[in-house]
Formats: sequence, structure tokens, C-alpha cells
Amino acid sequence: SQQGEEDPQALSIQEGENATMNCSYKTSINNLQWYRQNSGRGLVHLILIRSNEREKHSGRLRVTLDTSKKSSSLLITASRAADTASYFCAISSGSARQLTFGSGTQLTVLP
Amino acid sequence: NAGVMQNPRHLVRRRGQEARLRCSPMKGHSHVYWYRQLPEEGLKFMVYLQKENIIDESGMPKERFSAEFPKEGPSILRIQQVVRGDSAAYFCASSPPARSTDTQYFGPGTRLTVL
Repeated sequence: SQQGEEDPQALSIQEGENATMNCSYKTSINNLQWYRQNSGRGLVHLILIRSNEREKHSGRLRVTLDTSKKSSSLLITASRAADTASYFCAISSGSARQLTFGSGTQLTVLP
Repeated sequence: NAGVMQNPRHLVRRRGQEARLRCSPMKGHSHVYWYRQLPEEGLKFMVYLQKENIIDESGMPKERFSAEFPKEGPSILRIQQVVRGDSAAYFCASSPPARSTDTQYFGPGTRLTVL
């Protein structure tokens, strides 16, 4: 399976702290994407990093990609209670256009 | 620019009934994807369609499930003779024709409950 696997499954931090989530996968990829899902809602696209990129920033988000280790990390700095959500990595590989999602990390930011 | 729209947002069916889920992609998007999410799990790909064509249905169960994306109107995911195991959130996503970006834009989902 080329499914991404997130680590940890659940993470609880205090407001203002940084949150780091990891994603590992098994096959070569075109790109890796991170999505956020609030409880009972749809997915919101956060950031896409291509296979030839190593790091990308967007506001308080920082994503790294290590293709040699087949892993990616999502860092959320200065977390807020509103960041509480599930975070999923999704990979695009080969000629297929569909995404393969991991099982997600449930982040809880305590006020 | 309206996002991806799905309806209904919640659908309750009894075992044996049919469920019809609708998805209208973002304006200008001609690629539609359906995913299913079971509780506490990630999304699982079901089917990828372009207008009037099924491109990849490798994630679709062989029986009772079908999908279409007609020339006019929304994409439809149809589940016949629903069973309790079909209870899940069904998400539709769309993307533009060009492969310059693989970003998919998701709708709010339809939560199907089978009694």
C-alpha cells in the first residue's frame, strides 16, 4: 500500500506551543499535500509540496519533505485553539490523479 | 466563486433503499473524485470521473455502487440496496483540467446513515 501514515495519531498541546505531525509513505510520489478537517466538516487544503522540493512555508505552517526517507512533516507554530482539527497527509503518485490519504492526526490545542 | 457543493448534507436510508449523492464541482473544474470516510479513518478513494467518462473506478465496490458525471448537471454517486456498512461520510472533490496542480478542492460531504 502506498498509503500515507501519520504520526502521532493524536496530539494535545497548549495554545502558543508548536505542533509537529509526521507522515510516512511507501512509494515514489509526484507531490504530498496536507489537509485539515474540522469535526464533521469537509477537508481544507493547506499546502502542497512537490517531490523536488524540500521545504515550504505558508503563514504559520511549515512543511518539509525527505524523499530519501519517504517522509514529510507539518509544523504549526504558535498554535491556537482554532487549530484544533484532524490533519491528513495525501500523496499523488504516478499517473493517477486521485489522492491516497493517511489516517490522520487529531490535534487538540488547549486554551 | 462557489466551492464544491454537495447535497444532501445528511441522508438517512433504511436497509435496502437507494441513496443518491450529488456533487457540483467548482466552476471551471471538469474532474471529479469521490472518496469515502469511515469514522475515525482517513479518506479512501472510490472513483474519478471527467465529463461523461469514468476514468478510474478502482476504489469502487463492484456491486451496488455506481457513479456518473453527465454532460449537464452534477455528478451522482448511487448506492443501491444500502446496508449498514455503507454508513459513512462521502466526499466529492474537484480539480481543474490542467495538471499544473494536483490540488483537489473538497465539498462539505454527505453523511449517510443506514438504519
